[in-house]
Amino acid sequence: NAGVTQTPKFQVLKTGQSMTLQCAQDMNHNSMYWYRQDPGMGLRLIYYSASEGTTDKGEVPNGYNVSRLNKREFSLRLESAAPSQTSVYFCASSEQPSGYYEQYFGPGTRLTVT
Amino acid sequence: AQSVTQLGSHVSVSEGALVLLRCNYSSSVPPYLFWYVQYPNQGLQLLLKYTTGATLVKGINGFEAEFKKSETSFHLTKPSAHMSDAAEYFCAVSDQGTDKLIFGTGTRLQVFP
Repeated sequence: NAGVTQTPKFQVLKTGQSMTLQCAQDMNHNSMYWYRQDPGMGLRLIYYSASEGTTDKGEVPNGYNVSRLNKREFSLRLESAAPSQTSVYFCASSEQPSGYYEQYFGPGTRLTVT
Repeated sequence: AQSVTQLGSHVSVSEGALVLLRCNYSSSVPPYLFWYVQYPNQGLQLLLKYTTGATLVKGINGFEAEFKKSETSFHLTKPSAHMSDAAEYFCAVSDQGTDKLIFGTGTRLQVFP
């Protein structure tokens, strides 16, 4: 099992460009999450998908959109990148949409917006 | 809203010394509690979690944490630090009935020989 995979690993964008971060899990999990990690701020939830076909906003959704393509895949789109979106992005999945369950994390995407 | 406080953004210990990383949460109702570890340039992985039952929870790599309701704390300890323990540690909480984790700001552990 690969667990949670993310592509790309690194990306540099110019202000105003768009891009999509891809995430896939092979654990048959129902729930998937997107976080951003910034120094001194821990992880903050951007969007999550409790189950296939549903998505909900997290703590910091502005400037992002998501698509739960199927049970395995959950993508994060930046329509018009801004320097404030420079961050490390992590995708995670869990068996069920409950805080009881462990979340499994991907290796992250390091994004720089100039 | 639920919040998590990790005291000390950096902790340094000598190899073989006790590791103590502090975590306090704000909920008046006992939440689910987690400690995750992040090694350099990697994602997070679960060290241990408390849901119900025994308040002393043992995790991987010799770590353990004790849930203290009266102190709203869930501090992480390890009796003897190893060089390989150098990483960033995150405390996280979720309220029963919700599907989101709230993370603390993290504590970076350095271990000196």
